[in-house]
Amino acid sequence: DIVMTQSPDSLAVSLGERATINCKSSQTLLYNANNRNYLAWYQQKPGQSPKLLIHWASARESGVPDRFSGSGSGTDFTLTISSLQAEDVAVYYCQHYYNTPLTFGGGTKVEIK
Amino acid sequence: EVQLVESGGGLVKPGGSLRLSCAASGFTFSSYSMNWVRQAPGKGLEWVSSISSSSSYIYYADSVKGRFTISRDNAKNSLYLQMNRLRAEDTAVYYCAKDRPGMALWGQGTLVTVSS
Repeated sequence: DIVMTQSPDSLAVSLGERATINCKSSQTLLYNANNRNYLAWYQQKPGQSPKLLIHWASARESGVPDRFSGSGSGTDFTLTISSLQAEDVAVYYCQHYYNTPLTFGGGTKVEIK
Repeated sequence: EVQLVESGGGLVKPGGSLRLSCAASGFTFSSYSMNWVRQAPGKGLEWVSSISSSSSYIYYADSVKGRFTISRDNAKNSLYLQMNRLRAEDTAVYYCAKDRPGMALWGQGTLVTVSS
């Protein structure tokens, strides 16, 4: 099974500042046949269902603000919020879909400093 | 409106059974693989099961294999999860989610509580 490890567990960032969340997989998520990384990022606000932000490691979902960006390849990935807004307070999860079992990272809680 | 609506959760005793349903609307349900994902109280997300668009491919997490059965009825735009031999550790909010890649659409979830 592919293990997804997120860091940090939580972070507090001032409004307008950058937030960076890391995600590491125990095996490569890069499928050489199509040169795609099978990695997604989700946002879960308190009391709500998760929302897909990014797939293929860096493809932003329609309607997701461009302050959210995903990067990385292979086993190391990053979600960056370039300028934190109050509405970005949430738990963020990475997830691989390279094979089954699908697995999620443990989550990173983002708060306002 | 594009949405997924889960139902069927509730309180059940250990060893009991429940059947969850997920009603899809606003998109071509029969074209997409679907997933069940659960979240124990205060915990992270755990994938439970996936089913391909035509039910040809079905996968389960080891934690539920042999106890849970995923199915779908494309004519009724519905996804199901039959849960048998429930355990306390199955207590969670259960979400259905549309695959796309990444889980592009989630329902609001239904709470399953396994307790005596």
